Amino acid sequence: QVQLVESGGGVVQPGRSLRLSCTASGFIFSDYGMHWVRQAPGKGLEWVSIIWYDGINRYYADSVKGRFTISRDNSKNTLYLQMNSLRAEDTAVYYCARDWAGATYLFDSWGQGTLVTVSS
Amino acid sequence: EIMLTQSPGTLSLSPGERATLSCRASQSVNRNYLAWYHQKPGQAPRLLIYGESSRATGIPDRFSGSGSGTDFTLTISRLEPEDFAVYYCQYYGSSSTFGQGTKLEIK
Repeated sequence: QVQLVESGGGVVQPGRSLRLSCTASGFIFSDYGMHWVRQAPGKGLEWVSIIWYDGINRYYADSVKGRFTISRDNSKNTLYLQMNSLRAEDTAVYYCARDWAGATYLFDSWGQGTLVTVSS
Repeated sequence: EIMLTQSPGTLSLSPGERATLSCRASQSVNRNYLAWYHQKPGQAPRLLIYGESSRATGIPDRFSGSGSGTDFTLTISRLEPEDFAVYYCQYYGSSSTFGQGTKLEIK
């Protein structure tokens, strides 16, 4: 079955960097677009970024554009999110999610999430 | 940018009852791009309904979606104990927007 496992979360000071990873299994990773979606404590869901199946096209929410970079290594079935210049408002659980097809922005499978806390 | 507003904020019902959750868009949306998810405490969201009325894999038929234009509805015909959760609607297609959520709690 489809499995997505995030890692790399933790406590980081404002202005610092962090890299999240998401390891996929149970499906052909290179066939699917992949996303990061986040959820601030006690809040709703916010889409963060998408990377197409081949890694060529990438798009970001305005709130993270210029600070976050999404990437993937299809040989390792792994998705990444490089987060730079972190702010307190980036504090959230970060989920990786599989796109239903190519780049529909419909999320049919989710990881369990990894918590990022930005605090001094 | 399309905004989605869900109502009510909290819905208190008993197992066996019928639940009706609403999602209103700030402008008319293509009904094929409206989805519903639920999220239980401490868990990731799970896709329930997509394309406005198609059920995702493994979702029981007590869940149904309907609507058009700016007004969409998720109906749970007979609530089971595992249905009590937070429900989100989503507009997808070329980007993603979520509603703020409706908490379905046991009365």
